Amino acid sequence: DIQMTQSPSSLSASVGDRVTITCRASQDISNYLAWFQQKPGKAPKSLIYAASSLQSGVPSKFSGSGSGTDFTLTISSLQPEDFATYYCQQYNIYPWTFGQGTKVEIK
Amino acid sequence: EVQLVESGGGLVQPGGSLRLSCSASGFTFSSYAMHWVRQAPGKGLEYVSAISSNGGSTYYADSVKGRFTISRDNSKNTLFLQMSSLRAEDTAVYYCVKGNSGSYYRPFDYWGQGTLVTVSS
Repeated sequence: DIQMTQSPSSLSASVGDRVTITCRASQDISNYLAWFQQKPGKAPKSLIYAASSLQSGVPSKFSGSGSGTDFTLTISSLQPEDFATYYCQQYNIYPWTFGQGTKVEIK
Repeated sequence: EVQLVESGGGLVQPGGSLRLSCSASGFTFSSYAMHWVRQAPGKGLEYVSAISSNGGSTYYADSVKGRFTISRDNSKNTLFLQMSSLRAEDTAVYYCVKGNSGSYYRPFDYWGQGTLVTVSS
């Protein structure tokens, strides 16, 4: 199975900060990479697919980049509603696998 | 508006069975692959199963293969997950997730709110 490793596992940031989360795949997955946001007690929400394409309705403050094994999710200006846990997922090869999550907390 | 509403979760004894349902609306259900993803309490996300738009192809994670069966009724816009020989490690919130095409090789777009399955004596 492809292992997905996110870093950091958690971070503290202030409103207005630019935040970057990284995701590394254990083998080349081309651009078959998605990002999800999950708030406490809620279902995940799809943010990005194909490494950099925004899902419908997702604000442009979210952006994704990368290809091969290294990927990033960037939030350009953190807002109160962005404090959540973020997961990456590869969908290049079954079984589809997720990163362990990055919890973004308020500083 | 896409809506996915899961039901059927609950408390079941080890070795027991349960059938989850996911009622879909707001899109042409028969045109899209569907998936189940689960999340154990306080843990991360785990991929469970997938089914193509016409139900002709399915996929199962090794952890559930031979015990879970995914199916769909396109006439009723409903996705199912039949779970048997349940184990404590199957305890999780189960999410119904819509794919963005008829093939289950394409990514997710919408998630349901989830239904909790607890396997305990």
